[in-house]
Amino acid sequence: QQQVKQSPQSLIVQKGGISIINCAYENTAFDYFPWYQQFPGKGPALLIAIRPDVSEKKEGRFTISFNKSAKQFSLHIMDSQPGDSATYFCAASGQGGSEKLVFGKGTKLTVNP
Amino acid sequence: DGGITQSPKYLFRKEGQNVTLSCEQNLNHDAMYWYRQDPGQGLRLIYYSQIVNDFQKGDIAEGYSVSREKKESFPLTVTSAQKNPTAFYLCASSDGGQTGELFFGEGSRLTVL
Repeated sequence: QQQVKQSPQSLIVQKGGISIINCAYENTAFDYFPWYQQFPGKGPALLIAIRPDVSEKKEGRFTISFNKSAKQFSLHIMDSQPGDSATYFCAASGQGGSEKLVFGKGTKLTVNP
Repeated sequence: DGGITQSPKYLFRKEGQNVTLSCEQNLNHDAMYWYRQDPGQGLRLIYYSQIVNDFQKGDIAEGYSVSREKKESFPLTVTSAQKNPTAFYLCASSDGGQTGELFFGEGSRLTVL
């Protein structure tokens, strides 16, 4: 019940296309859902996060869509650019500190020029 | 520049040897974390510390040890008891709370020969 299932494992998109990464969770106590972006050889960095009181959050070309009833959330990258090529991790947590954060296994995104 | 500094970036170890990975932060964060990253496995929590002189086991603490003698420092020792130590190790800090953003270092890649 603590798992966050992320798909696909890898994704190849053409420049200008839309990248979509999906995550699903089981624990209904989860109420914080961040996405982290990791470039090769670097540590992850927070990209965008959402709470379940809203169904969508947009920051520039990045949008999180959240479906509470389905226990699913997804990251959409509009107008994907080669510079977006990275590994993306979804995560979820309930009450408590960041030590409660459960990460998905990651999606390696490649955006071809 | 505020951030997390991990050293060394690359480390090679013979079987049976202990090795210590350094993590220093100048963000004045109370909480610090160690994660292990393996290909396709996401981020798994090894140990965390919410305050100086106190630390807690994460999901995969066996074969690892930590100390937190100073707020700025949270070194990780990979002991010879760790069965499969070859991995990418990430240190992070946060200012606490459920939505506290994790700030990661650039990681240390340990290879056991």
